[in-house]
This record gives sequence, structure tokens and C-alpha cells, in this order.
Amino acid sequence: SAVISQKPSRDICQRGTSLTIQCQVDSQVTMMFWYRQQPGQSLTLIATANQGSEATYESGFVIDKFPISRPNLTFSTLTVSNMSPEDSSIYLCSAAQDGSEQYFGPGTRLTVT
Amino acid sequence: EDKVVQSPLSLVVHEGDTVTLNCSYEVTNFRSLLWYKQEKKAPTFLFMLTSSGIEKKSGRLSSILDKKELFSILNITATQTGDSAVYLCAVDTGRRALTFGSGTRLQVQP
Repeated sequence: SAVISQKPSRDICQRGTSLTIQCQVDSQVTMMFWYRQQPGQSLTLIATANQGSEATYESGFVIDKFPISRPNLTFSTLTVSNMSPEDSSIYLCSAAQDGSEQYFGPGTRLTVT
Repeated sequence: EDKVVQSPLSLVVHEGDTVTLNCSYEVTNFRSLLWYKQEKKAPTFLFMLTSSGIEKKSGRLSSILDKKELFSILNITATQTGDSAVYLCAVDTGRRALTFGSGTRLQVQP
């Protein structure tokens, strides 16, 4: 199984600012994803992070708001731009090898004031 | 639209009880169904099911998939307070990204 770390684990940010979350996997993986979990709700996919090309975003999420990078097979970043209180959530990175189960990082708890 | 529905939404039991959590799905393509346990932030992987009728077991937890009736169950026997968590069901529809149900919040009282 892959071991995934995320930084920061939590942050409190002011509205209008941006935060970049880092996700590091301990081995090369085929697939990496970013999810959001709003308070009291389940996980919603933001985008699939594609290595060497633009991320694939789900309906309701756009690149200008959530730019994603994936420079190699073990690392990805998600930026939450121009934050508002509605962006307060847990942001989770996950990874999988093709055909295998998906593992999650410890999450980043973001509070926007 | 792909849909994953879990029931019950919440459950309170006493230590030693057996619980059954349900997950039904309606998706355009099915690749696998996964169960996770979420206590704080990160969902912890429990099972991945791809074939009907084959039970997967890990200690006191077990799960089975019925691809004809489009559902799965997660059983926990002899529950302990440490089993208290949200249990998430998710389906891989072939895109490899997961569609999650709303979760079942289980509380095990001493």
C-alpha cells in the first residue's frame, strides 16, 4: 500500500488569499486525485491530477479556482485560490496504481475567516 | 448521474452487537466497490470488491457484493468502541476516481 503525506495538516486563512497543499506519495503511482469533504458531508472529487498535463476537473470545479500540478509520479499540489469561507473544508489527496485500491492522505483541514 | 446510497445514515449499538451496513449503487459503468473507515480525517481502506458472492474478511469485518442486485453489505461482529467511525462506500466507475456515498455514522457504546 502507498503511504501518502500532506502538508500542511491544517491552516487558518483570510478570505481573498490562496493556499497551496502538497501531497507526497512514497512510491510511484499511476493515478492521483484531489477530493474535498465539507463539514458533515461525504467526499467529492475535485479533479484527477495528470502527470505532465493539465488536470481533469469535475463539474463545478475550475482550474482558476483550484489549480493543480503534478510534476512527477509521486508528487502533486492543489491550490485553493481567492478563498472564501465556503472553501472551509478538509482537502484530501489520494493515490492508486491502475487496478488497485485507492489510498488517502491524512487530509488538510482548511478554515477561511 | 452515478449514485451511491448508504443506509442507515447513523446507528448506535452496544459493545458486542453485530451490525450490517448497506450500500446500493446505480452507475453507468462498474469496476469495483470499496469500503473505507473514517475516524478523523483520512479514510482508511477496508475492502475492495469486484466479483459477486465472494466474501472478503478481515478479523471481525466482512463484506460481500451482489452485482445483480447492485448492492454491498459490510458486517461487523462483536463490535468494540474502537469501531466507532463513519463507514464510507465508494464505487469506481472505470475512471478510477471514486463516487462516494454519504456514509454511515456508527457509534458503539460501552
